[in-house]
Amino acid sequence: AQSVTQLDSHVSVSEGTPVLLRCNYSSSYSPSLFWYVQHPNKGLQLLLKYTSAATLVKGINGFEAEFKKSETSFHLTKPSAHMSDAAEYFCVVSPDTGNQFYFGTGTSLTVIP
Amino acid sequence: GAGVSQSPRYKVAKRGQDVALRCDPISGHVSLFWYQQALGQGPEFLTYFQNEAQLDKSGLPSDRFFAERPEGSVSTLKIQRTQQEDSAVYLCASSRTGQSNSPLHFGNGTRLTVT
Repeated sequence: AQSVTQLDSHVSVSEGTPVLLRCNYSSSYSPSLFWYVQHPNKGLQLLLKYTSAATLVKGINGFEAEFKKSETSFHLTKPSAHMSDAAEYFCVVSPDTGNQFYFGTGTSLTVIP
Repeated sequence: GAGVSQSPRYKVAKRGQDVALRCDPISGHVSLFWYQQALGQGPEFLTYFQNEAQLDKSGLPSDRFFAERPEGSVSTLKIQRTQQEDSAVYLCASSRTGQSNSPLHFGNGTRLTVT
């Protein structure tokens, strides 16, 4: 069975401080993993993806994520938060059997000036 | 345009009315997905097309929901006899191949409100 758990429904950080959004997954197969961001009244935008290449993945807007198979985790990080990072973030897993994408319940990031 | 386009952006329907939501995927993308996103929730899978073939419709909540993609490009999600619980944002996404390593590209969604 496949599932995604986002450990925090809300995260609040001060502008300029690091961001950590946590994601754990379970998958019977070697998965692909993604992080998406959703700003209010917008669709989801791809931040980054892991597809069995390098375990440390760099994405847009300074975000990174590290795939740790032993911990079944794919946490999203950014060294320094910007006000424009305030949004909803979704972790997504897709098993290598193809056409299914499983979404976490989302983490709402607030950035305090 | 280079992205996924959905129309209308907003739709208000009276309970019992039928609605049709349109999705224009990225040109050349083989796979197309529909998701339903309730307020404050993550997207929930509805259905999936590979070209014109609907390969998975296991997420459609009832037989009032119907989706088609007759020429393998534009897709329409139809909801018959709308109910208040159908109120949500309906997201369309396309993928170049539909394989697990090919990411989804989302439109901005259609916000459906049933009164």
